[in-house]
Amino acid sequence: GQNIDQPTEMTATEGAIVQINCTYQTSGFNGLFWYQQHAGEAPTFLSYNVLDGLEEKGRFSSFLSRSKGYSYLLLKELQMKDSASYLCAVPDGANNLFFGTGTRLTVIP
Amino acid sequence: DSGVTQTPKHLITATGQRVTLRCSPRSGDLSVYWYQQSLDQGLQFLIQYYNGEERAKGNILERFSAQQFPDLHSELNLSSLELGDSALYFCASSGSGPDRDTNYGYTFGSGTRLTVV
Repeated sequence: GQNIDQPTEMTATEGAIVQINCTYQTSGFNGLFWYQQHAGEAPTFLSYNVLDGLEEKGRFSSFLSRSKGYSYLLLKELQMKDSASYLCAVPDGANNLFFGTGTRLTVIP
Repeated sequence: DSGVTQTPKHLITATGQRVTLRCSPRSGDLSVYWYQQSLDQGLQFLIQYYNGEERAKGNILERFSAQQFPDLHSELNLSSLELGDSALYFCASSGSGPDRDTNYGYTFGSGTRLTVV
């Protein structure tokens, strides 16, 4: 099975950098996804990591360490619109995604 | 517009009733997944269909069932509804197999908000 842990809530200041951590345990690794979800809306894809290291995509970067069962999402130059939940997810062998409970990020002025 | 269409957007019904939620996947996608998200809870995987066949089951209650039709749209049927079934129900779709799609994950619909009163 899959077990995913993320902090429940984080607060950061506009313009700052924030790192959202995710630890996971999975039987068979098929990559790790990060999604953004605004309240009441559908999750939207942010990143996918299958190899160790950092993947950078604009203001967002995602890091993976398979040996440690650890990933983080790094958000730079925070904007108010980045206030949302950030979901870490891992797929099983049949491509079913299993999500953590998400980290609710609040960006304050 | 993600390309995944869910109807209705909102549904209010009484305990004990039965409802049907509908999902049309993105054009060309063969897999459909259903998820439940209760207030302040994570997304819980319910069930997956691939090209009309049930492929995997998650934490789906016996009161819930789903099917995927030849035109690839899917329906999630919820019966004997309880107050605790109030949640957002999301459908997602992906392409013809995990090897082709794990680089991109799913495409989610905008969800159906079910309120049981």
